[in-house]
Amino acid sequence: AQSVAQPEDQVNVAEGNPLTVKCTYSVSGNPYLFWYVQYPNRGLQFLLKYITGDNLVKGSYGFEAEFNKSQTSFHLKKPSALVSDSALYFCAVRDDSNYQLIWGAGTKLIIKP
Amino acid sequence: DGGITQSPKYLFRKEGQNVTLSCEQNLNHDAMYWYRQDPGQGLRLIYYSQIVNDFQKGDIAEGYSVSREKKESFPLTVTSAQKNPTAFYLCASSNPGTGSEQFFGPGTRLTVL
Repeated sequence: AQSVAQPEDQVNVAEGNPLTVKCTYSVSGNPYLFWYVQYPNRGLQFLLKYITGDNLVKGSYGFEAEFNKSQTSFHLKKPSALVSDSALYFCAVRDDSNYQLIWGAGTKLIIKP
Repeated sequence: DGGITQSPKYLFRKEGQNVTLSCEQNLNHDAMYWYRQDPGQGLRLIYYSQIVNDFQKGDIAEGYSVSREKKESFPLTVTSAQKNPTAFYLCASSNPGTGSEQFFGPGTRLTVL
């Protein structure tokens, strides 16, 4: 079955430190992977995606993600966290059966000053 | 949230009443989507439409209905048959193409009294 998992409900990071938000996936074909961010009571904002090509994808607000095919992972990273990065982060993968997105449960990122 | 509007932002409904949530986009996107978001869960797809006058059920379509009479509009009706309608509802749109990211509206929070 196709799926996506975000193993951490919450990640706590001190401001200025690097951050990683984890995502693993399971699909039958080539994965199309996405990261979104959601601020409280708001819609989701697109951060970045991996379709093909370079395994390191750069996105909005200084975020990047590394696609690792052997580990079936697509972890979101940022070299230096900001308090304003505190939000809910969602990973998604395209479902090969209907081309819709399968969403992870979300990871709450808390950046402490 | 640019380009997609949802109204109202907050909606209260008595049990047994139908209610319609509005979603309008000016991005000229062919595809539109409705998701439901509950605390601690990822987004769940209710309905989606790839083109005007056509739509498909998502994973949790029971108790909901949609129409797609115009390219820019995709209203969602929450019927009295929906057992637990209190949730945050998100509308999204995208260009054609399986690698296209979705753009989200600001959401409507529905509360059943």
